[in-house]
Amino acid sequence: DIQMTQSPSTLSASVGDRVTITCRASQSISTWLAWYQQKPGKAPKLLIYKASSLESGVPSRFSGSGSGTEFTLTISSLQPDDFAIYYCQQYNIYSQAFGPGTKVNIK
Amino acid sequence: QVQLVESGGGVVQPGRSLRLSCATSGFTFSSYGMHWVRQAPGKGLEWVAVIWYDANNKYYADSVKGRFTISRDNSKNTVYLQMNSLRVDDTAVYFCARASFSIGSDFWGQGTLVTVSS
Repeated sequence: DIQMTQSPSTLSASVGDRVTITCRASQSISTWLAWYQQKPGKAPKLLIYKASSLESGVPSRFSGSGSGTEFTLTISSLQPDDFAIYYCQQYNIYSQAFGPGTKVNIK
Repeated sequence: QVQLVESGGGVVQPGRSLRLSCATSGFTFSSYGMHWVRQAPGKGLEWVAVIWYDANNKYYADSVKGRFTISRDNSKNTVYLQMNSLRVDDTAVYFCARASFSIGSDFWGQGTLVTVSS
């Protein structure tokens, strides 16, 4: 089974900061990688798919990059609405696997 | 618009069974696979199972294999999760999500809470 890791597990940042979250897969997943945002009591929201494609309606301050085993999610200028937990996910037709999450806190 | 609404959660004793439902609308249900994903209180997301659009293929996480069964009724636009031999560590919010195999899970329900406790 493919295992996903994320770093950091928690980060504190201020409004306007540039934020980068890293996700690693235990084996190559090409670009079959998505990023989700989750707020307390809510379902996850898809932000990025195929490693770098922005989901419709998601602000352009979110971007993704990477391939193979290493991926990043970048928020170019953190906004108050962005404080949440972010999960990476590898997906294929047989299964999915999520990273443990990165909590973005207000500094 | 696309909507997914889970139901069937509740409190159940260890060893008992429960069936969750996820009613969908706003898209051609029979053209999409469907996932179940769960989240234990205060924990991260755990994929549970997927069923392909035609129900011919189903895959499960090792943690639920042999105990849970995913199914669907394309005439009712509904996907189900039959959970047998429930354990305390199955306690979680269970989400259904639409499977777009090139995108991931693009639409999610609001979740239904399953609590396994004696």
